[in-house]
Amino acid sequence: EPEVTQTPSHQVTQMGQEVILRCVPISNHLYFYWYRQILGQKVEFLVSFYNNEISEKSEIFDDQFSVERPDGSNFTLKIRSTKLEDSAMYFCASRWGQANYEQYFGPGTRLTVT
Amino acid sequence: AQSVTQLDSHVSVSEGTPVLLRCNYSSSYSPSLFWYVQHPNKGLQLLLKYTSAATLVKGINGFEAEFKKSETSFHLTKPSAHMSDAAEYFCVVSAGGSYIPTFGRGTSLIVHP
Repeated sequence: EPEVTQTPSHQVTQMGQEVILRCVPISNHLYFYWYRQILGQKVEFLVSFYNNEISEKSEIFDDQFSVERPDGSNFTLKIRSTKLEDSAMYFCASRWGQANYEQYFGPGTRLTVT
Repeated sequence: AQSVTQLDSHVSVSEGTPVLLRCNYSSSYSPSLFWYVQHPNKGLQLLLKYTSAATLVKGINGFEAEFKKSETSFHLTKPSAHMSDAAEYFCVVSAGGSYIPTFGRGTSLIVHP
């Protein structure tokens, strides 16, 4: 069964450094998402991406964040200058359509900012 | 606008007894509703979904949920809990407009031997 993959599984970085989190969505899916889950808190929507552009973003997704689909298979989330509060589990998800279609989630990348 | 309320942050049951995880939603449109499960240090796995067909939805691992429009609820049930069901469960709503899924805060299911 096809699945969403994410790399790395765990990333440790120092405050102020740039990080890139990578995701490979399911190949025929059209909609892509990033979520984050701070330890012990709810899963929060960050951004959605469709047709090579951001379709929606939350207030969390500020100028420090960017997303890209550089080569038709990878979907990346970049944090330009990490802060301590960026420490969280980041989930990538994809789905074929909107309305009734479920999202398929990757296993997540745990980002630790020291 | 849409929102999801999971009424219990923790539910504790004994193995072999029924499970009930409660979810209420609000939506300006006819919603699609989902339950996801997250085992420790794992990603999110879809348990079941409601998409305006049958109101009683059967999912994996013996779970089912009933969509009740009049009560705006989508509670998750299982007749008999298993130790392997211990996990975090998320109720999710997705509706018209942007269809961006909104997650509930999650319910931690604890299963005692």
